[in-house]
Amino acid sequence: AQSVTQLDSQVPVFEEAPVELRCNYSSSVSVYLFWYVQYPNQGLQLLLKYLSGSTLVKGINGFEAEFNKSQTSFHLRKPSVHISDTAEYFCAVSPSSIKAAGNKLTFGGGTRVLVKP
Amino acid sequence: GAGVSQSPSNKVTEKGKDVELRCDPISGHTALYWYRQSLGQGLEFLIYFQGNSAPDKSGLPSDRFSAERTGGSVSTLTIQRTQQEDSAVYLCASSLGLRQETQYFGPGTRLLVL
Repeated sequence: AQSVTQLDSQVPVFEEAPVELRCNYSSSVSVYLFWYVQYPNQGLQLLLKYLSGSTLVKGINGFEAEFNKSQTSFHLRKPSVHISDTAEYFCAVSPSSIKAAGNKLTFGGGTRVLVKP
Repeated sequence: GAGVSQSPSNKVTEKGKDVELRCDPISGHTALYWYRQSLGQGLEFLIYFQGNSAPDKSGLPSDRFSAERTGGSVSTLTIQRTQQEDSAVYLCASSLGLRQETQYFGPGTRLLVL
């Protein structure tokens, strides 16, 4: 079984400031890691994903995340946020083992980012 | 191309009634997922279909919930005898089916049980 913890439920940040959203996971098997964004009244959109290889992953809209296996973390960062980045962000994992059935996602509780002018 | 579509976008029903929620996946996607997003439970997996394999129903919260996928495409999630705790946003996602493939989400159906 997997679990995901997003350490901050809300993060207020000023426009053009950097932001970091923290995500830690627990799993008895190897996993893939994802960050999704949900804008108000919309579905989830993938920002980036880590499957293997380089631990620094770059995604859309200037976001990047770093996988740290020893700390079981996958923190999301953006060096300079815009008003349009106001949204809820979800960290998720799915099992990577070929023995696991499907790749159903286990989500964290979400982090609401409010970008202030 | 067209994304995942869901209908209705909003549904208000009375406690005890049955509801059906529909999902049209992206054409060619063999995997289809249902998730539920509620204030108390966050985002949680409900059920997964992959091709002609038996669905993974391990996330369904009770036997009042069922889902089917006809012809490997459209899926319907049915909730019988709705309860107030069923109020949530029901999200559908589809993918190409391989383990590492991205899941693409629909806009969701917002269900309110009065």
